[in-house]
Amino acid sequence: KQEVTQIPAALSVPEGENLVLNCSFTDSAIYNLQWFRQDPGKGLTSLLLIQSSQREQTSGRLNASLDKSSGRSTLYIAASQPGDSATYLCAVMGYGGSQGNLIFGKGTKLSVKP
Amino acid sequence: DTAVSQTPKYLVTQMGNDKSIKCEQNLGHDTMYWYKQDSKKFLKIMFSYNNKELIINETVPNRFSPKSPDKAHLNLHINSLELGDSAVYFCASSPLSGRENSPLHFGNGTRLTVT
Repeated sequence: KQEVTQIPAALSVPEGENLVLNCSFTDSAIYNLQWFRQDPGKGLTSLLLIQSSQREQTSGRLNASLDKSSGRSTLYIAASQPGDSATYLCAVMGYGGSQGNLIFGKGTKLSVKP
Repeated sequence: DTAVSQTPKYLVTQMGNDKSIKCEQNLGHDTMYWYKQDSKKFLKIMFSYNNKELIINETVPNRFSPKSPDKAHLNLHINSLELGDSAVYFCASSPLSGRENSPLHFGNGTRLTVT
């Protein structure tokens, strides 16, 4: 059974710092891995999607890496800003068809202090 | 324009009642989903549905039923509400199954409180 773990559960950093969020999963047979952002009272916003054949994806100040063999992914945020404060969720999609197979971690709550 | 919209945003009701949550997407997507986020913040799939197939997570009680009047809507009906149903329910959509490398689009959630 696939399990997704995110460490740390919460992180507080001063503005301008570079930071790394970690995600690990127990079953390496995944179709893709996705990072989402969740703001309070809002839904999830997709940030990056890494296909199983890829090792990383970049969007602006965000870079996500994937190491399937070790069951790990990292989300790197460069030059953090207060607007980056949110909960970041990692999810993996297993084989067998649909996005309904997304297994989520509990998230890392990030606070960026001005 | 809101891509995936849910109503109501908040729902407070008593045990035993029957309630519905509505979801609409204007993205032209073929597949819609309902997710539940419990008090421990875990997000879990409840249903996925397109015009061909309804896939139900086996852990979902049969008091929960999705209803789709058309491709753009997937409503969630809940009968005989229980205290443990209190959670945030998210609707989501994606393109036709088979394009699994397209990310999901989520609504803003409905916070259900059962008293």
